[in-house]
Parts: sequence; structure tokens; C-alpha cells
Amino acid sequence: KAGVTQTPRYLIKTRGQQVTLSCSPISGHRSVSWYQQTPGQGLQFLFEYFSETQRNKGNFPGRFSGRQFSNSRSEMNVSTLELGDSALYLCASSLNSVVGTEAFFGQGTRLTVV
Amino acid sequence: EDQVTQSPEALRLQEGESSSLNCSYTVSGLRGLFWYRQDPGKGPEFLFTLYSAGEEKEKERLKATLTKKESFLHITAPKPEDSATYLCAVGSNTGKLIFGQGTTLQVKP
Repeated sequence: KAGVTQTPRYLIKTRGQQVTLSCSPISGHRSVSWYQQTPGQGLQFLFEYFSETQRNKGNFPGRFSGRQFSNSRSEMNVSTLELGDSALYLCASSLNSVVGTEAFFGQGTRLTVV
Repeated sequence: EDQVTQSPEALRLQEGESSSLNCSYTVSGLRGLFWYRQDPGKGPEFLFTLYSAGEEKEKERLKATLTKKESFLHITAPKPEDSATYLCAVGSNTGKLIFGQGTTLQVKP
């Protein structure tokens, strides 16, 4: 059974640019959630998508957005990149809601903003 | 406000020296408490889910327990390959999954 796949694994972007990250969940899983991980803040919840609808959102500015497609694949977009957006971005897939069922994580996308 | 606190931040053990990691939480309605293991440069790996006070789960040298305010991850006779960061996360009625800062465990041979 294939796990969660995130692409790309590494990205270097310039301040002010925008970036799109991709996540393919485990087959049959309908929930995809996104997280930002930094040494100072740890793992922080960005948002969760379930059946193409954003179900919940964390405390991040509107520059962070996402969407989910009918095949459950999800993309996350960050516009007008700032140096502080440098982080490991993780996505996780769950059979149902991420707050009540175990989530399985991908390897992450390491974003560096210069 | 929902909050998850893990202690200690770092733990160094000798191989075979058992210990416990703590996860304290305050949350508006617990939907589930999750333990993960994370190795450097990798995504978290799921270990356990606990739903109600008194519940216990075991896997090899690890045992997770849950009370109304905290969870413990007990490590019995650890081996060097158990070295990793252990993360606790709480799912709340707000619909968010909230992580603690993690405990970095180092097991020396």
C-alpha cells in the first residue's frame, strides 16, 4: 500500500515569489491536512481538506491557501513568500477527520526562502 | 485555548534504562490523542491513538496511557534504535490537530 507522497522534496525560492506544494494521500483516504514545522514553533496545523472542502484552518495569514481535488490529491500554495516561511511543510492523510483518526504523514517538502 | 505541553524536552538514557515521556493537554473536547515518532529529516510516523481516560496501547517496547489531563509514553528497556523525537498531538472539537513541542530521546549503547 503506497504511503503519502509529497512533491517536490526540496525547494528554494526568492522572497516575494509564490510556491505550490503537492500531496497525494493514501488511496481511500478522504482527509488531507497540512502542517508547517520549524525549530522554534514545532508542528503547526495549517488546514484540513475533506472531500474537496476546507474543513478547518489554523492561525496562518491568508497567503497560505490550499485545495483538494476529486481524487483527494491536495495542493498548498504560499504567495508573496517571506523569509519566515522557510520550513518543512508536511501533509498527512486520514481516513476520516484528522482530529479523530490517525494521520499518516509524508516525508515533507523542505522550503527555503532566500 | 487548546494547548499541549510535552516534558522533558530532551532525555538521555542508557540502553536498557526504562523511562516515561509526559504529554499534558488542555483542550475543548478531546477527540483523540496521538503519539508519533519522528526521525531527523523525515515525516512523523504514527504510533498510537488513545480516545478515553484509562485506555492503554502497547507496541514492542512502547506503552501509551491516557488520563483526563495527560498521557504518558513508557519506554521499557530502550535500544539505540529508539532514539528519535516523540511527538504528542491532540485532536479537539475545534477541528484542529495540536502538537506538543516533542521530546528528543537519545539512547546510548
